[in-house]
Amino acid sequence: SYDLTQPPSVSVSPGQTASITCSGVKLGDKYASWYQQKPGQSPVLVIYQDKKRPSGIPERFSGSTSGNTATLTISGTQAMDEADYYCQAWDSSTVVVFGGGTKLTVL
Amino acid sequence: QVQLVESGGALVRPGGSLRLSCAASGFTFSDYYMSWIRQAPGKGLEWVSYISESGSSRHYADSVKGRFTISRDNAKNSLYLQMDSLRADDTAVYYCARDLAAAGIFDYWGQGTLVTVSS
Repeated sequence: SYDLTQPPSVSVSPGQTASITCSGVKLGDKYASWYQQKPGQSPVLVIYQDKKRPSGIPERFSGSTSGNTATLTISGTQAMDEADYYCQAWDSSTVVVFGGGTKLTVL
Repeated sequence: QVQLVESGGALVRPGGSLRLSCAASGFTFSDYYMSWIRQAPGKGLEWVSYISESGSSRHYADSVKGRFTISRDNAKNSLYLQMDSLRADDTAVYYCARDLAAAGIFDYWGQGTLVTVSS
């Protein structure tokens, strides 16, 4: 089975930049998406196809990939950004896989 | 606006069956792939199954293959998940989600319905 690896937790100070990584074999050959989930709520798509932002998602959210690692970057992190973040990949052989999730704490 | 509303979650005994439904509105349902995704209590997201626009293509996670069946009724704008031979580790909130481009991009999610498998 295909696995995506995320750090369990990331901490950031308000106003600083948070980076959450997601690694997987040949991830660079697939498209990565990122989802934000706050407690008691459904996930929300924040980045798709590695770096595209859906309408309504603030510009401080950005995505990038390099080799086998995808990265979600939140610039000028706000308290409201505290949430769990999941990466996800898809291709015709992998179908759909989610990473284990990263808890972002804004201290 | 796009809305996805799941229903059918319940407490069921191991080995039992359950059918989940997802009512879609605010978009042309028959134009989109749809998926079921679940989340066990306190755990991460796990994709369960997807179905193509017409229903001709279906795919399942290994963990549910042979036990769960996804289907849709485009005339009723509804998605279904028939769950048989349920096990304790199927306990989760089940979400239906719209696939933006038939490429595993889930742009809209329902609020979820809780399935608890316990004796």
